[in-house]
Amino acid sequence: DAGVTQSPTHLIKTRGQHVTLRCSPISGHKSVSWYQQVLGQGPQFIFQYYEKEERGRGNFPDRFSARQFPNYSSELNVNALLLGDSALYLCASSLHRGPNTGELFFGEGSRLTVL
Amino acid sequence: AQSVTQLGSHVSVSEGALVLLRCNYSSSVPPYLFWYVQYPNQGLQLLLKYTSAATLVKGINGFEAEFKKSETSFHLTKPSAHMSDAAEYFCAVSEPQKTSYDKVIFGPGTSLSVIP
Repeated sequence: DAGVTQSPTHLIKTRGQHVTLRCSPISGHKSVSWYQQVLGQGPQFIFQYYEKEERGRGNFPDRFSARQFPNYSSELNVNALLLGDSALYLCASSLHRGPNTGELFFGEGSRLTVL
Repeated sequence: AQSVTQLGSHVSVSEGALVLLRCNYSSSVPPYLFWYVQYPNQGLQLLLKYTSAATLVKGINGFEAEFKKSETSFHLTKPSAHMSDAAEYFCAVSEPQKTSYDKVIFGPGTSLSVIP
């Protein structure tokens, strides 16, 4: 069975641009979470989506947005990119919204570099 | 607020030696606790989890961790290190009683090096 897939794997943008990252969850998983991992740090929670609705949001500015599609895939959008947005963006899927089991299945990430 | 601290950003052990990676947490409710491993240029993989059952938890690849409520600790151990264990290890916590979604808080990570 395919795991969590993310695209693109690497991309380079300049300050002020916009980026869209994509994620396909494991088949049968209805929940997708997004995490930002800055070099040398642990992943930071950005969003969780379940059944196409935002269920949770971390401490990130409104420049970050996401959505989930009927097939449970998801997009993360970041507007007005800043140098500090350079990071590995991880998508994780899980079976359901709750209880909060915390058992996440991660993709390999999209590495964003902002110049 | 929940948080995780990992003592030692870098740990080096000899092949065959004991691996001990330290994790302490803070939580206002009984937590779920996890260890994830990240190999270079890959995503995170769940090693083991504690969800209020047995306090000694066994995971994959010979790792285990013990939940000690009195010490608010969840240290990861492996009796004998293998070269393939070299990776970044993250301790993480969630609070199932407080949030209805999968919000997981990760520690800063410990990089494990195994010396031949």
